[in-house]
Amino acid sequence: QSALTQPASVSGSPGQSITISCTGSSSDVGGYNYVSWYQQHPGKAPKLMIYDVSNRPSGVSNRFSGSKSGNTASLTISGLQAEDEADYYCSSYTTTSTHVVFGGGTKLTVL
Amino acid sequence: QVQLQESGPGLVKPSETLSLTCSVSGGSISSHYWSWIRQPPGKGLEWIGFIYYSGSTDCNPSLKSRVTISIDTSKSQFSLRLSSVTAADTAVYYCARVRYGSARGFDYWGQGTLVTVSS
Repeated sequence: QSALTQPASVSGSPGQSITISCTGSSSDVGGYNYVSWYQQHPGKAPKLMIYDVSNRPSGVSNRFSGSKSGNTASLTISGLQAEDEADYYCSSYTTTSTHVVFGGGTKLTVL
Repeated sequence: QVQLQESGPGLVKPSETLSLTCSVSGGSISSHYWSWIRQPPGKGLEWIGFIYYSGSTDCNPSLKSRVTISIDTSKSQFSLRLSSVTAADTAVYYCARVRYGSARGFDYWGQGTLVTVSS
């Protein structure tokens, strides 16, 4: 069982916006602004999309945005495109013994 | 452009030791934390551990008794050893660079290498 909770799946039509949630605790998501989001296409390595809750690495589309409220972080993808169909994982620094925890992943389907 | 490349056997027998090396190019290994992360087939990501160029390490308590992470800065490589493997250790193993600090995002990843534990 993952330490961070994500919905198993979300879907949206091209052009729409979707939001993926990532719920933790005060020991991780709620206590620190060290949440990251990753996109993973089948057979590929994960790609960093958001770091430190809401920052985008160079080269990542501004259609991707991150936020946090309490113990829940969120990834929003606006203007959905077919290429956004992938698995998305959140991760966070944690003060528990594991140091870094991941969410279980969310499969995004673009209808 | 920083590049990471995992190398090592793709098949390991049960009870033996899994050994992987990550080669870093295009950047200094002496300026970041470096991690190992794995992903069982069809499942999510699991953090294994990290190492700093100084040799400081930390790893997932669920694996701690079996994991050794080391670094060779002269070769720009860091390595993972996982002992007493079982079928549950079958996974794609990734090496990755931590963007800042020890846990603030993994910004460069290797392509991953599938390690199967089977006799």
